[in-house]
Formats: sequence, C-alpha cells, structure tokens
Amino acid sequence: DTEVTQTPKHLVMGMTNKKSLKCEQHMGHRAMYWYKQKAKKPPELMFVYSYEKLSINESVPSRFSPECPNSSLLNLHLHALQPEDSALYLCASSQDPGTGVGGYTFGSGTRLTVV
Amino acid sequence: AQKITQTQPGMFVQEKEAVTLDCTYDTSDQSYGLFWYKQPSSGEMIFLIYQGSYDEQNATEGRYSLNFQKARKSANLVISASQLGDSAMYFCAMRERDYGQNFVFGPGTRLSVLP
Repeated sequence: DTEVTQTPKHLVMGMTNKKSLKCEQHMGHRAMYWYKQKAKKPPELMFVYSYEKLSINESVPSRFSPECPNSSLLNLHLHALQPEDSALYLCASSQDPGTGVGGYTFGSGTRLTVV
Repeated sequence: AQKITQTQPGMFVQEKEAVTLDCTYDTSDQSYGLFWYKQPSSGEMIFLIYQGSYDEQNATEGRYSLNFQKARKSANLVISASQLGDSAMYFCAMRERDYGQNFVFGPGTRLSVLP
C-alpha cells in the first residue's frame, strides 16, 4: 500500500460540476505536490506546497484551486473543467521542501474524466 | 531544453533476461539526484532506485541497478532476471538542488516482458 492516499480513485464530472480531489500522508513530509499526467506522457507539475504554503503554481488555470488545510492533507478543488482536463492527477510528498535531493512518494492517483 | 532524455519509447525483453533502459540528463548543478520510477497501468508511480550526484558507487536495489556515468551524464537502469510483472512504463527523473522543488521527468520507456 502506498503511504500517500488519494481519493477518489476515479471521478467522472460534468463541466458545470464542482468536485474535490483529496490527498493524505502521515510520513511527516513537509512538502506536497499536485501533478497532472495525460495518457502516454510524463507527469507535469501543477502546484507545490511547502510547510503548508503555496510555493509554486505552474501557471495552472484558475478552475483548479489547491488547498492545504494542514501538513498531512492536500486538496485540489475543481470547478468548470473542460474535457481536455481529463487526466490522471497524482499527489506526491517529500521530506525536504527546498533543500537536498531526496525523492518523492506518490499516491495512486485519481483518474478524472470530464464530460 | 529537455533536461531528461529517454531515447527508447518502447522495449521488449524475454522473461528472465536482463534489460537496460537508457537515460541521459542535462544539468549545470553540481548537486542533484537521479531517480527511476515504475508506473504500471494502475497509475501509481513506484520508486525504484536513487543515485546522488556525489555517490561514487552505482546504486543497487534488489534486481535493479543504476549504471551511473557522470561524465557522460547518463543514468541507465538495469533490470536483471525480468519478470512478467515488470511490464510497465519506466520514468527517469532528476531533482536539482538549485531548483529544489521541481522534479523533472523524462518522457518514459514502455517495457514489455514476453513469456
């Protein structure tokens, strides 16, 4: 079992819906990340939270809204998405937010389909 | 400029044989980390092996070893005694100290293990 838990595993939503993706880790990691992965492509960074503060926003459209309520939780709020936003959304965490070269632990992802 | 190059979009290997997946990288940092991740069709990114830029010995983890040639900026993954369960996408990734929060992935190699 992965130590980063993402829910739901699958989500189908209409373009007028509002939904949220959730991510949780209990490893004491202080950085958390959202990635978007289209089919047959590598993951692309969306957001980075470092010590519960947003530190990187890779020019993501405002219809994606991240939230970090505490050091263990990371949410991604979705509103008015487009069909091209359909993808696998991966959450990851790492122990060292901005120093060192340690690796990330990834969750299993949420497969999102926008209809 | 692409920081991680994986020149093999797809690879086939016979079960029980060894296979090498290529990865070259580009960085001006002296301190960086190189990673390999496996992504089966379920979507989870599974960490396989890590090599630090200052590590003198090649990393090994069970059936996985990393052939690190710093001067050539290559970090090839060697899988010994392939198993059917090794069939997946494999991503080479790099984290640079000076860009600490960004984790750059290569385009990936799809490995198929044949019975």
